[in-house]
Amino acid sequence: EPEVTQTPSHQVTQMGQEVILRCVPISNHLYFYWYRQILGQKVEFLVSFYNNEISEKSEIFDDQFSVERPDGSNFTLKIRSTKLEDSAMYFCASIGSDSYEQYFGPGTRLTVT
Amino acid sequence: AQSVTQLDSQVPVFEEAPVELRCNYSSSVSVYLFWYVQYPNQGLQLLLKYLSGSTLVKGINGFEAEFNKSQTSFHLRKPSVHISDTAEYFCAVGRLNQGGKLIFGQGTELSVKP
Repeated sequence: EPEVTQTPSHQVTQMGQEVILRCVPISNHLYFYWYRQILGQKVEFLVSFYNNEISEKSEIFDDQFSVERPDGSNFTLKIRSTKLEDSAMYFCASIGSDSYEQYFGPGTRLTVT
Repeated sequence: AQSVTQLDSQVPVFEEAPVELRCNYSSSVSVYLFWYVQYPNQGLQLLLKYLSGSTLVKGINGFEAEFNKSQTSFHLRKPSVHISDTAEYFCAVGRLNQGGKLIFGQGTELSVKP
């Protein structure tokens, strides 16, 4: 069964450093998402991406965040200058053109020290 | 705007007992409703979804949920739980447009004891 994959599974970085989280959505899907989950809290929407552009973003998704689909398979989330409060689990999700079910990846745990 | 409230943060239950995890939502537009499960140190797995049609939906692992439009609820139930059902359960809503984001509730931690 096709699945969404994410790398790395765990990333440790120092405050102020740039990180790139990578996702490979399901191959024929068209809509892509990033969500985050701070430890012990609910899952929060960050951004959605369709047709090579951002379709919606939350208040959390400020200028330090960016997303990109650099080729036909990867979908990346870049955090330009990480802060301690960026420590969270980041989930990628994708959805096909004929479905309303979002398929989630296993997540990347980001730890900012 | 949409919002989701999961009324119980923790639900302890004994094995083979029934369980209900409560979810209420608010929205000014029609929405789809979902329940996801998160096992420890894992990602989110879809349990079941309500898009339209019958208000009683059945999902994986013996779970079911009932959509109640008048009460804006989508409670999750299982008649007999197993130890392996111990996990965090999230209720979510999405707008009736293709590609819409999901809004999640705070989650309910289900703890099944022997």
